[in-house]
Amino acid sequence: EIVLTQSPGTLSLSPGERAILSCRASQSVSSSYLAWYQVKPGQAPRLLIYGSSSRATGVPDRFSGSGSGTGFTLTISRLEPEDFAVYYCQQYGDLYLSFGQGTKVEIK
Amino acid sequence: QVQLEQSGAGVKKPGSSVKVSCKASGGTFNSYSFSWVRQAPGQGPEWMGGIIPFFGTVNYAQSFQGRVSITADESTSTVYMDLTSLRSEDTAVYYCATERRSAYWYDGSGYLHKAAPDAFDVWGQGTKVTVSS
Repeated sequence: EIVLTQSPGTLSLSPGERAILSCRASQSVSSSYLAWYQVKPGQAPRLLIYGSSSRATGVPDRFSGSGSGTGFTLTISRLEPEDFAVYYCQQYGDLYLSFGQGTKVEIK
Repeated sequence: QVQLEQSGAGVKKPGSSVKVSCKASGGTFNSYSFSWVRQAPGQGPEWMGGIIPFFGTVNYAQSFQGRVSITADESTSTVYMDLTSLRSEDTAVYYCATERRSAYWYDGSGYLHKAAPDAFDVWGQGTKVTVSS
């Protein structure tokens, strides 16, 4: 099973600042089958990015994804109040899917 | 687009079983791949397993092998997740989810192909299961 390690655990930022979240895989993620989700309390995960860098339908362009192999990044160019949440990466290229442990983006 | 409606929350005794349902509407049931993902309090999501009704294939996460069973009923467009031998650590919100694209496609010659894996873009509302004596 591919283990995904996210960093940092918590990111304390102000609205308008840039957020950079990292996701490292224990082995190469085939075909960049890497997704990012946003989770808010009491809600189901919301797909933001799939295929490492493609935005899901309706996702604002301030969200961008990049990376390949074992290193991936989610960037939020300018944080809006509604962006403060927990973000998870997920790989779906292996027979056994897996998620990272999450990065919490909190208001500074 | 498909919508997923899950069964209600419940409290279960340690050692018992729970069966959560997920009814799909607004799409073609057999074209989807369904997965179950759970999220325990304060933890990240955990994939439990998935089913592709069209192919009749099921795949379980290693950590749940032998304890989980995922089935599908095409007649009611419903997917089920059955988890046995419950313990307190199974207290979580359980979600069903579908992938972004159809589970299969036909090429120009009419040959059937299994689609490449994809991310989950539609989720059920979640079912809270509490395991407590």
